[in-house]
Amino acid sequence: NAGVTQTPKFQVLKTGQSMTLQCAQDMNHNSMYWYRQDPGMGLRLIYYSASEGTTDKGEVPNGYNVSRLNKREFSLRLESAAPSQTSVYFCASSETTAGNTEAFFGQGTRLTVV
Amino acid sequence: AQRVTQPEKLLSVFKGAPVELKCNYSYSGSPELFWYVQYSRQRLQLLLRHISRESIKGFTADLNKGETSFHLKKPFAQEEDSAMYYCALSRPGAGNQFYFGTGTSLTVIP
Repeated sequence: NAGVTQTPKFQVLKTGQSMTLQCAQDMNHNSMYWYRQDPGMGLRLIYYSASEGTTDKGEVPNGYNVSRLNKREFSLRLESAAPSQTSVYFCASSETTAGNTEAFFGQGTRLTVV
Repeated sequence: AQRVTQPEKLLSVFKGAPVELKCNYSYSGSPELFWYVQYSRQRLQLLLRHISRESIKGFTADLNKGETSFHLKKPFAQEEDSAMYYCALSRPGAGNQFYFGTGTSLTVIP
């Protein structure tokens, strides 16, 4: 049981380049999320998907797009990378079962935009 | 709007000393509160949730609705407790959005 898997683990982009961060979960969760983690700012929600076929903006969506490809996969795309998008990106999924909610995280993608 | 505040970015305690990581929240409804921990070079993982009223690795946290706080406590800190701790709030429904505080980096000094 792999949980939440993100690829790649590390990436360096030049300003203006595009890329897609991939995320997949094997826990059959309905909800999936993308966060960015920056020093002193904690985790900020970029986009989330409450269920397959739906996506919604979080706190910091500008410069990003997402696709909920199916129930398992939720990708994050940077169309034109900027140095301000240098960060560690985390994908997560969650489900509420019998009143208990828990978010499970991927191992993170460290992105540097130069 | 919902908000999670962790006033301490850095916290250092000596091994064996008590530790308290503060968390305050604002939310108009009845949220679920959590503490997540991130050890060096590892992914975030759930430490405990208020609804379970459990003790994990010696840590406890009590939800105080009057003070809107969910402070994390441990009576005797251990070196392996050194990590980044995040307080989080989940809004029931609406995709179970999770909102995180800015985190507190705990260092336990040997």
